[in-house]
Amino acid sequence: QVQLQQSGPGLVKPSQTLSLTCAISGDSVSSNSVVWTWIRQSPSRGLEWLGRTYYRSKWYNDYAASVKSRITINPDTSKNQFSLQLNSVTPEDTAVYYCARGGYAMGVWGQGTTVTVSS
Amino acid sequence: QSALTQPASVSGSPGQSITISCTGTSSDVGGYNYVSWYQQHPGKAPKLIIYEVTNRPSGVSNRFSGSKSGNTASLTISGLQAEDEADYYCSSYSSSTTLVIFGGGTKLTVL
Repeated sequence: QVQLQQSGPGLVKPSQTLSLTCAISGDSVSSNSVVWTWIRQSPSRGLEWLGRTYYRSKWYNDYAASVKSRITINPDTSKNQFSLQLNSVTPEDTAVYYCARGGYAMGVWGQGTTVTVSS
Repeated sequence: QSALTQPASVSGSPGQSITISCTGTSSDVGGYNYVSWYQQHPGKAPKLIIYEVTNRPSGVSNRFSGSKSGNTASLTISGLQAEDEADYYCSSYSSSTTLVIFGGGTKLTVL
């Protein structure tokens, strides 16, 4: 059974970098048939797909247009996890952040991390 | 402002059937069979209940079914139960840079 465990700070100051990690159990971040995704949810923006990483003989990333200039999703094969970094955050980035397994249909989700951007 | 359009709310009595619509464009819902539906209870992560328009993941009740016609996808829940009261979201592959888009969500109330 695949499980995802998220970790990271719940409070980030404006203009700083939001960093979250998603630890995978029961699967491999390097699997050739799986996609690993970050999504966020806020009252103002609803559910918002942020981006994904996946391995198909080499690593690939895709990012949402709305955050493309500020986002990095990285796999960490040594720890079997993947991470989200979002730079230059503003209060608009306040949301519940989720990691998930799946590309177009996310079948396993992390527990969610509430991130507040505030000084 | 969400990319896919869903009704804000629907309601039904126990045992009845309800349908939630999800309207997009030919660049997403209408153009590809990658529509998914999620159920979300308060304070919980979304749960996948339908993928690729009509398919149910293992363990999901057959009371949930999906369909699509043109640019509109639909989720039908038959034999409504109190535990079905939740928010429901559709999503679709999109040919834009943002590969996955969501609907704004529909709150289902079981009367």
